[in-house]
Amino acid sequence: AQSVSQHNHHVILSEAASLELGCNYSYGGTVNLFWYVQYPGQHLQLLLKYFSGDPLVKGIKGFEAEFIKSKFSFNLRKPSVQWSDTAEYFCAVNAHSNYQLIWGAGTKLIIKP
Amino acid sequence: EAGVAQSPRYKIIEKRQSVAFWCNPISGHATLYWYQQILGQGPKLLIQFQNNGVVDDSQLPKDRFSAERLKGVDSTLKIQPAKLEDSAVYLCASSSPYRGQGKTQYFGPGTRLLVL
Repeated sequence: AQSVSQHNHHVILSEAASLELGCNYSYGGTVNLFWYVQYPGQHLQLLLKYFSGDPLVKGIKGFEAEFIKSKFSFNLRKPSVQWSDTAEYFCAVNAHSNYQLIWGAGTKLIIKP
Repeated sequence: EAGVAQSPRYKIIEKRQSVAFWCNPISGHATLYWYQQILGQGPKLLIQFQNNGVVDDSQLPKDRFSAERLKGVDSTLKIQPAKLEDSAVYLCASSSPYRGQGKTQYFGPGTRLLVL
C-alpha cells in the first residue's frame, strides 16, 4: 500500500534559521508530489507541487522542494525562516494510476521570534 | 477565481443529533472530495465524486455518514447520528479533471464540528 512518511512531528527553530522537512513515500510507479501548509486557524493551502521536469521545485513564500527519485523523497526547504512560517506542513503524494492523495501525518513548525 | 466554499464554518451538536455540511467547488472542477481531519493528523478521504458519481467511498462510515452531489456541482455531507469521535474538521476539496495538473486539489476552509 502507498504511504507517506514525514520524519518530524514537531520542529522548533529560531528566525533566520534554515529549514528542511523530510518526506518519503512508498510507491514504485510515477507520482505527483505536493506540499501543503496550514497556518493557524486557516485552511490548507498548496505550497508547491512536482509533476515532471526539473526535480527542484520552487513554491510560494521562498519555499522549495527537491524530488530525489532514487530516495523516494521530496524534502521541503527554506534557507531562512520567518516567524510567519509557523504552521503545520503536510506532504502528499498521488499516483498516476488513480490520483488519490496519500497524506503524511504533518509537521508542526514553530518559529521563535 | 473563487475558491472552494464551505458552510457552516463551525458547528456544535450533541451526540446522536444529525448535522449537514455543504460544499461548492471551484467552477469547472469535476472532482470533489470530502475529508475528515482529526486534530494532529493528516486529512482522511471520506468520499470522492467525479461529477455526480461516486469514485471512492471505501472509508466512509456508511452506517452514519452519507454524501451526495446530485447535479454534479455542490455537495452535501451528512452525519446521522453523530458520535463523540466525529469531532473533527470536515474539509472539502476540488480538482480539475485535467491530468496535466496532476489533479491538484484545492481546499475549502473546512467545517469544525464539535460533538458533545
